[in-house]
Amino acid sequence: DAKTTQPPSMDCAEGRAANLPCNHSTISGNEYVYWYRQIHSQGPQYIIHGLKNNETNEMASLIITEDRKSSTLILPHATLRDTAVYYCIVSYYTDKLIFGTGTRLQVFP
Amino acid sequence: NAGVTQTPKFQVLKTGQSMTLQCAQDMNHNSMYWYRQDPGMGLRLIYYSASEGTTDKGEVPNGYNVSRLNKREFSLRLESAAPSQTSVYFCASSEGPARRQPQHFGDGTRLSIL
Repeated sequence: DAKTTQPPSMDCAEGRAANLPCNHSTISGNEYVYWYRQIHSQGPQYIIHGLKNNETNEMASLIITEDRKSSTLILPHATLRDTAVYYCIVSYYTDKLIFGTGTRLQVFP
Repeated sequence: NAGVTQTPKFQVLKTGQSMTLQCAQDMNHNSMYWYRQDPGMGLRLIYYSASEGTTDKGEVPNGYNVSRLNKREFSLRLESAAPSQTSVYFCASSEGPARRQPQHFGDGTRLSIL
C-alpha cells in the first residue's frame, strides 16, 4: 500500500472551511483514498473515500488531483465537534488499512 | 443501534496474567479486525478475520491469539500479558474483504499492564 504524508496539525476557525491535505505520490492506479477521523479517544469514524473523481457526502468533500498524487479533505463549515485527528489512508483492500499519525485538526471559536 | 460492542472498557492486569477481550457486532458483517493504538500513534492491525472461520495476522500479531467464535463475535486473547501490551484496543467490522467497504469501530478497551 502507498504511504501518505499529512501535516501533523492544523487550526481552523469555527464556521470556516477546513482543508486537510494529503500527499500520496506513490499511489497505484487501483488504490483508493480513504479518510477516517478519531474524535478524542473514540474509535475511528469513516468519512469518505474516492478513486479518481471528486466525491461529496453529508460529512465532507474529497478532492483528488488529476495525477492522483495528492488529495484534500474539505469540511465545508467546521464546528467545534470536528476537532479530531484525521487519517488519510491509501489502500487497495479495505481489510488492510494502515493508519499513520494523521493530522490533528483544532477548530477554535 | 449498537454497532460494534467491546468489553470490557477498562482493565488492569499484572504481568503474566491472561485475558480475553470480547468484540461483537450486530451489522451482519463478514469481516472483523483487532487494532491496538499506543499513545500518539496511529492504529496498528493485530489480527483480522475476513470471514467466519478464517483469521490472519496483521502488522503486530506477536503475543496475541484470536478466535472468530461465530459471525458476530471476534475475541482477542493475551496469554501472558506484558507491559509492552499496555494500549488501547479497538475492534472493527466491515461488510467484507471486498474493496471500498468502510470499517466500523467500537469504542475501545483501555488495557494497562503493570
